[in-house]
Amino acid sequence: EPEVTQTPSHQVTQMGQEVILRCVPISNHLYFYWYRQILGQKVEFLVSFYNNEISEKSEIFDDQFSVERPDGSNFTLKIRSTKLEDSAMYFCASRSFENQPQHFGDGTRLSIL
Amino acid sequence: AQSVTQPDIHITVSEGASLELRCNYSYGATPYLFWYVQSPGQGLQLLLKYFSGDTLVQGIKGFEAEFKRSQSSFNLRKPSVHWSDAAEYFCAVGVPGYSTLTFGKGTMLLVSP
Repeated sequence: EPEVTQTPSHQVTQMGQEVILRCVPISNHLYFYWYRQILGQKVEFLVSFYNNEISEKSEIFDDQFSVERPDGSNFTLKIRSTKLEDSAMYFCASRSFENQPQHFGDGTRLSIL
Repeated sequence: AQSVTQPDIHITVSEGASLELRCNYSYGATPYLFWYVQSPGQGLQLLLKYFSGDTLVQGIKGFEAEFKRSQSSFNLRKPSVHWSDAAEYFCAVGVPGYSTLTFGKGTMLLVSP
């Protein structure tokens, strides 16, 4: 069964550094998402992406965050200058059409030192 | 805005016993409803979904859920729990035309011998 794949599984970064989290959505999917889960808290929506542009973003998704679909397969989340509070598990998700569920990757655990 | 409540943080069930995990949502109309499961160190796996139609929904791994509009609930059930079902379970809601999911805080299921 097709899967959403995320790399790396664990990323350790110094505070203030830039980090890029990578995702390969399921190949025929059109809608792409990033969520995050701070340890012990609920999964929170960050941003959705469709037709090569952001369709919705949460208040968490400030100017330090950006997303990109640089080619036909990858979908990336960049954090420009990381903060300690960015430490979390970041999940990528994709879905095919309206009225279809989102499928999630295994996540990238981001640790900011 | 929609919200999701999972009132039980932890539940312990004996292997072979039945299971019911509670989920209540707040939304002005009929939402889309989902249950996801997260095993330790893993991503979010879709168990089942409700978009419309039959209010009793069958999912993978022997799980089912029932949408009850009058109670704004979408409780997850399984008649006989297996030790491999030990995981964290998340209820999520989306709205028609949705771009995002709103998650509950999750219920950790522990299975005792």
